[in-house]
Amino acid sequence: DIQLTQSPSSLSASVGDRVTITCRSSHTISSFLNWYQQRPGKAPKLLVYAASILQSGVPSRFSGSGSGTDFTLTISSLQPEDYATYYCQQSYNTPRAFGQGTKVEVK
Amino acid sequence: QVLLMQSESEVKKPGASLKVSCEASGYTFTNFGVTWVRQAPGQGLEWMGRISAYNGNTDYAPKFRGRVTMTRDTSTSTVYMELRRLRSDDTAVYFCARDGAVAGVLPRPAHYMDVWGQGTTAIVSS
Repeated sequence: DIQLTQSPSSLSASVGDRVTITCRSSHTISSFLNWYQQRPGKAPKLLVYAASILQSGVPSRFSGSGSGTDFTLTISSLQPEDYATYYCQQSYNTPRAFGQGTKVEVK
Repeated sequence: QVLLMQSESEVKKPGASLKVSCEASGYTFTNFGVTWVRQAPGQGLEWMGRISAYNGNTDYAPKFRGRVTMTRDTSTSTVYMELRRLRSDDTAVYFCARDGAVAGVLPRPAHYMDVWGQGTTAIVSS
């Protein structure tokens, strides 16, 4: 099975900061990589699919990049509503595993 | 408005079975699959499997094979997930999500989960 490793597991940042989260796959997965945001007590929300395509309605401060085994989610200017946990997920094959999550906290 | 509405929370005894429903509305049910994901308290997301609403074909994560069954009822646009022989570590929030896909971007369709149910809490305790 494909394993996804996110780093860091948590980070502290201030409003306006640029935030970068990485996701590394144990096998090459082309661009079959999605990113989700989850706020406490809520269902996950799709942010980016196919590594770099922004889901409709998602603010343009979010962006995704990468292919093969290394991927990045960037928030260009952190907003108060962005404090949440972020997960990557591969859709290259099944089981479509998730990374362990990255929690973005207030600095 | 595209919605997935899940059944209410449940408390089960170890060894019992859990059956969660997920009713879709606002889109053509048979055009999309449905994926089930669970989240244990304080933990990350875990992919359990998916079902094609079109033909009922299923694909389960190895961890759950033999213990999980996903079915669908096209007359009511509802998908069901049954988990048997429950253990305490099956205590979790269970989510259903619409399995969307985009074609033409990559050599084959790229799947993603674009609409999520509200989650169903299942507590397994004696």
